[in-house]
Amino acid sequence: NAGVTQTPKFQVLKTGQSMTLQCAQDMNHNSMYWYRQDPGMGLRLIYYSASEGTTDKGEVPNGYNVSRLNKREFSLRLESAAPSQTSVYFCASRKRQNTGELFFGEGSRLTVL
Amino acid sequence: GESVGLHLPTLSVQEGDNSIINCAYSNSASDYFIWYKQESGKGPQFIIDIRSNMDKRQGQRVTVLLNKTVKHLSLQIAATQPGDSAVYFCAENTWASNTGKLIFGQGTTLQVKP
Repeated sequence: NAGVTQTPKFQVLKTGQSMTLQCAQDMNHNSMYWYRQDPGMGLRLIYYSASEGTTDKGEVPNGYNVSRLNKREFSLRLESAAPSQTSVYFCASRKRQNTGELFFGEGSRLTVL
Repeated sequence: GESVGLHLPTLSVQEGDNSIINCAYSNSASDYFIWYKQESGKGPQFIIDIRSNMDKRQGQRVTVLLNKTVKHLSLQIAATQPGDSAVYFCAENTWASNTGKLIFGQGTTLQVKP
């Protein structure tokens, strides 16, 4: 049982480049989330999808877009990467949209030069 | 606005002692809270949760206390072990709003001294 799988695990970009972080879960969960984690800032919510077909902004959505491709997959896109987007990105999912354990992936470390 | 914060960035305890990690929240509408543990280089892992209709909930070696009057949450770890060394986060959402938006605090680093 893989749980939540994120790709890639590491990525280096130049300022202005674009990229997509992929996330897939095999637990038949309804809700999926993207967080970023910076030193001293904890986990900040970028976007979330409470259920298939819906997406909503979190605390720090600027510079990002998301797509809930199907129930399993939730991707995060950086259209024009900036150094301020250097961070560790975590995808997570849970069965219900407003209660219950959130299952996290192992993270994707992104560096923007 | 919403914010979830922690009182101390680092907590150092002796192995075998009890640990208490605190968390304050500002959204009085929050009604569901979770504690997570994050080890270095890994994703956060669920520890325990509590709903606002409860004051206390116990798990294996852990207890979460909720004081809605002062909007305070704490995680107590009994007989702290070296494997408990990690960063601990509290998180909250508003179950009644049905939005699914889960907000995390900044985290407390727990250091266990042998």
